[in-house]
Amino acid sequence: GDSVTQTEGPVTVSESESLIINCTYSATSIAYPNLFWYVRYPGEGLQLLLKVITAGQKGSSRGFEATYNKETTSFHLQKASVQESDSAVYYCALANSAGNKLTFGIGTRVLVRP
Amino acid sequence: DPKIIQKPKYLVAVTGSEKILICEQYLGHNAMYWYRQSAKKPLEFMFSYSYQKLMDNQTASSRFQPQSSKKNHLDLQITALKPDDSATYFCASSQESLQDTQYFGPGTRLLVL
Repeated sequence: GDSVTQTEGPVTVSESESLIINCTYSATSIAYPNLFWYVRYPGEGLQLLLKVITAGQKGSSRGFEATYNKETTSFHLQKASVQESDSAVYYCALANSAGNKLTFGIGTRVLVRP
Repeated sequence: DPKIIQKPKYLVAVTGSEKILICEQYLGHNAMYWYRQSAKKPLEFMFSYSYQKLMDNQTASSRFQPQSSKKNHLDLQITALKPDDSATYFCASSQESLQDTQYFGPGTRLLVL
């Protein structure tokens, strides 16, 4: 089956430092799945952070970036300078061939110190 | 205003009892889903519905039964509850069921004692 592996948390960084959360995937149902990063802020539901559907393309949102690398089957999330408001749990996910089922990584809790 | 409402936010139940988790979406979407996240595990897909019809069921147990009384509702009935059912249950929706971005509710946290 499909699977997603991501950095285990918690990850603690200081404000204005850079952040990278690693994500690698294995997709058996589809060669080039749609890839997603979702974020869950405290007390809220999951929100889509960014989505990339084409291998080789980069997605960006709120200062975060992720590049779809089909050679390494990776979709790492990066931000050059984090803010305290970026403290949240980040989830990497892929969609199956029908697009009706998401497979998630375990989630990475990020704590940003002021 | 929240676009996907899940009720209740927290739920405590005793083993063997039955509970219903409520999900309503106000996004005008035609597809709805249930996922579950148990402690130290990833979110796991449970069900997908499109136009109130079951499209995919990845839950082995018949104790979990989705109920769609209206197009924008997808409740989850869980019978004969077990402690292993303790998890956060997330409802999601998308415009259509194929290759559309899914939007998630805040979750219902269920604890079975």
